[in-house]
Amino acid sequence: QLQLVQSGAEVKKPGASVKVSCKASGYTFTDYYMHWVRQAPGQGLEWMGRINPNSGGTNYAQKFQGRVTMTRDTSISTAYMEVSGLRSDDTAVYYCARQLGAPWGQGTLVTVSS
Amino acid sequence: QSVLTQPPSASGTPGQRVTISCSGSSSNIGSATVNWYQQLPGTAPKLLIYTNNQRPSGVPDRFSGSKSGTSASLAISGLQSEDEAAYYCAAWDDSLNGWVFGGGTKLTVL
Repeated sequence: QLQLVQSGAEVKKPGASVKVSCKASGYTFTDYYMHWVRQAPGQGLEWMGRINPNSGGTNYAQKFQGRVTMTRDTSISTAYMEVSGLRSDDTAVYYCARQLGAPWGQGTLVTVSS
Repeated sequence: QSVLTQPPSASGTPGQRVTISCSGSSSNIGSATVNWYQQLPGTAPKLLIYTNNQRPSGVPDRFSGSKSGTSASLAISGLQSEDEAAYYCAAWDDSLNGWVFGGGTKLTVL
């Protein structure tokens, strides 16, 4: 069945980087954009960007340009999202979502704390 | 401050009809289609409405969407306790060259 499975929770120190994975199954990975959305504790949804798994082309939200990198490995149907220079306000649940429709991943909690 | 504006809260009693508004501008809702998402507590968002008024398979017809100019609305009829959730609108923004979300509306079923 259609499914996106994300990597597990991470705890990072300020200034570090984190890389979250999102493994797709049940459909042709290269046929649909993969989006990344984050949600800080008690806050709303924030679009971070998207990757075209076929070409590798990316669009990033202006806020994250230069700090976020989205990649993919088509051989294992997996998308990745890396955030560098982590700050405390990057503490959030990070979601991947196929075409911003369905399915969504289960979310990965990234906690940034010294 | 979200690009799309939603009321922070809404409420209704079981069986009632409630609407949630989403206000944008010519660079987003005015020139693009709108999606709506439902997020139950502790879970990932779920697509409720796409392309302004289309329901994915499995979404009850109690949920409906509409768009006029630079605003959109989500209507829920026959309100049920399990509809208690946060609801978000989203659209592509030509000026920002990216998707934007509303701040979310927390729906309480009294």
